[in-house]
Amino acid sequence: KQEVTQIPAALSVPEGENLVLNCSFTDSAIYNLQWFRQDPGKGLTSLLLIQSSQREQTSGRLNASLDKSSGRSTLYIAASQPGDSATYLCAVSNAGNMLTFGGGTRLMVKP
Amino acid sequence: SAVISQKPSRDICQRGTSLTIQCQVDSQVTMMFWYRQQPGQSLTLIATANQGSEATYESGFVIDKFPISRPNLTFSTLTVSNMSPEDSSIYLCSASDREETQYFGPGTRLLVL
Repeated sequence: KQEVTQIPAALSVPEGENLVLNCSFTDSAIYNLQWFRQDPGKGLTSLLLIQSSQREQTSGRLNASLDKSSGRSTLYIAASQPGDSATYLCAVSNAGNMLTFGGGTRLMVKP
Repeated sequence: SAVISQKPSRDICQRGTSLTIQCQVDSQVTMMFWYRQQPGQSLTLIATANQGSEATYESGFVIDKFPISRPNLTFSTLTVSNMSPEDSSIYLCSASDREETQYFGPGTRLLVL
């Protein structure tokens, strides 16, 4: 059974810092990996999708990498801003595109 | 991308009653899913909604408790039956085409008293 772990569970940084969120998964036979953002009381917003054949994806200040063989992904956020404060969720897709989610990292960026 | 809406956005229900949540996608999609997010927790897949046939449930979820319909490629419903306070959660619908980006609805916040 696929298990997804995110470290750290919570993170508080001053504005402007570059930061890295970590995600690991136990079964490397994935189709893709997706990073989401969830604001309090809201649904999920897709940030980046990395297919299993890819090693990274970039969108603005966000960069996600994937090392499928070692079962790891990182989400890099450059020049963090208070608006980046949210919970970040990593999810991997196995057969049938069913997602298994990690526990999330709660990020607080202080002005 | 797909835009997903859910109704209701929130509800407060009495134990023993049932609530049906609707999910509408603005385009035809291959796959639709229902997830549950319990307070302070991450998301757990309840089932895959199959068009024109019975849903495929994950371990720990059964059809009698969470009946699901998907009459066409853009619409699905999830019913939470015979509710108890332990069913208080956010219920989220998602949609995707094969192994592509999965998009989520805004969720339905359910409180059972």
